[in-house]
Amino acid sequence: SAVISQKPSRDICQRGTSLTIQCQVDSQVTMMFWYRQQPGQSLTLIATANQGSEATYESGFVIDKFPISRPNLTFSTLTVSNMSPEDSSIYLCSVRQGGNEQFFGPGTRLTVL
Amino acid sequence: GQQVMQIPQYQHVQEGEDFTTYCNSSTTLSNIQWYKQRPGGHPVFLIQLVKSGEVKKQKRLTFQFGEAKKNSSLHITATQTTDVGTYFCAGPAGANSKLTFGKGITLSVRP
Repeated sequence: SAVISQKPSRDICQRGTSLTIQCQVDSQVTMMFWYRQQPGQSLTLIATANQGSEATYESGFVIDKFPISRPNLTFSTLTVSNMSPEDSSIYLCSVRQGGNEQFFGPGTRLTVL
Repeated sequence: GQQVMQIPQYQHVQEGEDFTTYCNSSTTLSNIQWYKQRPGGHPVFLIQLVKSGEVKKQKRLTFQFGEAKKNSSLHITATQTTDVGTYFCAGPAGANSKLTFGKGITLSVRP
């Protein structure tokens, strides 16, 4: 299975600022996804990160708020823009290598004050 | 849209007891997957079931896919404290077979 790292692992940010989260995979993967998981809740898909083109966003998530980049098959970033306390959550990068199963990064725990 | 349902959200068992949980989909699934998330950790893929009626075992864990491919079960024999965590089922939906996750069931085990 792919080894996935995320930076930062956690951060505390002020309202109105932006944070960029990085996801690095140790091998090329076909698909990369970004999820949000609020405390004690399930996983909500934010978007599919497409290599070389704009990400595909799920209902309720927009590019202006969550811009995503995927310059190659091993790396992606998610930016949480103009943050508010409601954005406090764990953000998870996930990849698929060719099969159906998904592998998750360790997550970025974000707290917005 | 497709919904994947897991009820209840929490279950407490005594160590050594058996545990069974269920996952139900509003639509027929091409496959169903189970993930485990330990407290403070990230979801880890456990198993995928593809065929109608399929049963797979991993040590004390038994997974089954329903005949109609709309439900699945996870059975743990003789639970241990290492089984503590949240178990999610997930099924593909929509374009690119994006996964829809259930709410998960959080299992606690009393030693």
